[in-house]
Amino acid sequence: EVQLLESGGGLVQPGGSLRLSCAASGFAFNNYAMTWVRQAPGKGLEWVSSISGSGDRPHYADSVKGRFTVSRDSSKNTLFLQMDSLGVDDTAIYYCAKNEGYGSLDYWGQGTLVTVSS
Amino acid sequence: QSALTQLASVSGSLGQSITISCTGSSSDVGDYKYVSWYQQHPGKAPKLMIFDVYYRPSGVSSRFSGSKSGNTASLTISGLQAEDEADYYCSSYTPSGTVFGGGTKVTVL
Repeated sequence: EVQLLESGGGLVQPGGSLRLSCAASGFAFNNYAMTWVRQAPGKGLEWVSSISGSGDRPHYADSVKGRFTVSRDSSKNTLFLQMDSLGVDDTAIYYCAKNEGYGSLDYWGQGTLVTVSS
Repeated sequence: QSALTQLASVSGSLGQSITISCTGSSSDVGDYKYVSWYQQHPGKAPKLMIFDVYYRPSGVSSRFSGSKSGNTASLTISGLQAEDEADYYCSSYTPSGTVFGGGTKVTVL
């Protein structure tokens, strides 16, 4: 059974940093691209970042480019999102998801809430 | 990376069919056969309902079907049921990343 478990969310002040983790199990982690998607309170889904199975091809939304860094550790089957220079607009539930093919996300974690506030 | 356009809400009666549209551009929906649809119930993670325009993942009801014409993709729900009441999001692959629609709230009357 595929499972994705995010952690690392919490309350952080504007300008601060946070590192999210997503522990994956139940599939060959190295063989699949992975994606972070966020959802601000009461709003729609927003693609944040994706990374290839090998980890050598990250992509970022314009809204986070230069501030967020996606990475993965194949030895721990874990996906990461390092978030720096956080602003109030980054407040959201952050989901990690497993890619299937081109762009479809077939499994999602339960999400972790990031709140940026002073 | 402009969001795809979806109507904010659509409603239908039990047993009826509804269609949700998703309009993009020649740079996303119009150029790739990689449109997906997701269902999200309140407080839950999204669930993949359709991928690559037409295909249903295992376990998804055949009442859900997808199509595409030009820059517009569509999700049709036939035989509407109470449990179909949820938010629905389309997405499209692009070489620089995925783009989502703003979401459509489906209400079952």
